[in-house]
Amino acid sequence: EVQLLESGGDLVQPGGSLRLSCAASGFTFINCAMSWVRQAPGKGLEWVSAISGSGDSTYYADSVKGRFTISRDNSKNTLYLQMNSLRVEDTAVYYCAKSWGSGRNPENWGQGTLVTVSS
Amino acid sequence: DVVMTQSPLSLPVTLGQPASISCRSSQSLVHSDGNTYLSWFQQRPGQSPRRLIYKVSLRDSGVPDRFSGSGSGTDFTLKISRVEADDVGVYYCMQGTLWPPTFGGGTKVEIK
Repeated sequence: EVQLLESGGDLVQPGGSLRLSCAASGFTFINCAMSWVRQAPGKGLEWVSAISGSGDSTYYADSVKGRFTISRDNSKNTLYLQMNSLRVEDTAVYYCAKSWGSGRNPENWGQGTLVTVSS
Repeated sequence: DVVMTQSPLSLPVTLGQPASISCRSSQSLVHSDGNTYLSWFQQRPGQSPRRLIYKVSLRDSGVPDRFSGSGSGTDFTLKISRVEADDVGVYYCMQGTLWPPTFGGGTKVEIK
């Protein structure tokens, strides 16, 4: 059974940094692209970033390009999202998702971790 | 970016009756490989999204056959043949054909 467990969400001030983690199990991690998708409180879903199985290819939404960095450690079956220069509008639940099609197509989702950016 | 437009925004349904959600894309979702990467997700209150349908009409494992997807090009539909209480939540369509992937705004299904 695919399991994805996000962690690292917290309250942070505007301009601050945070690193999210997603521990994966139940599938061959290195074979799968992974994504981050977020959901602001009471709002819809927004794709944030994706990474290929090898980690060689990464993709970002324009809204986070230059501020967020996606990475993975295939020896630890863990996905990361380094978030810098955080803004109030980055406040959201962040989901990691096992994906296919270079990360364009999320299939299994974690339970999410809440990031709150506020002074 | 591809804009995904869902309708209606809210869908009150009587238990046991059918429901239909429309999703339209601003560009054709036919990929150069011939596939159409249109998915549907269900998000029950307080839960993570769950994929129901992928590639327009393929049901995920464990999804009741009450759920069906159809459409082509820029016009897609999710149908629930007989709504059950467990189906309450928000439904999202999503395109994964073109970068960046984009979601529809969601349709809230509730029981009358």
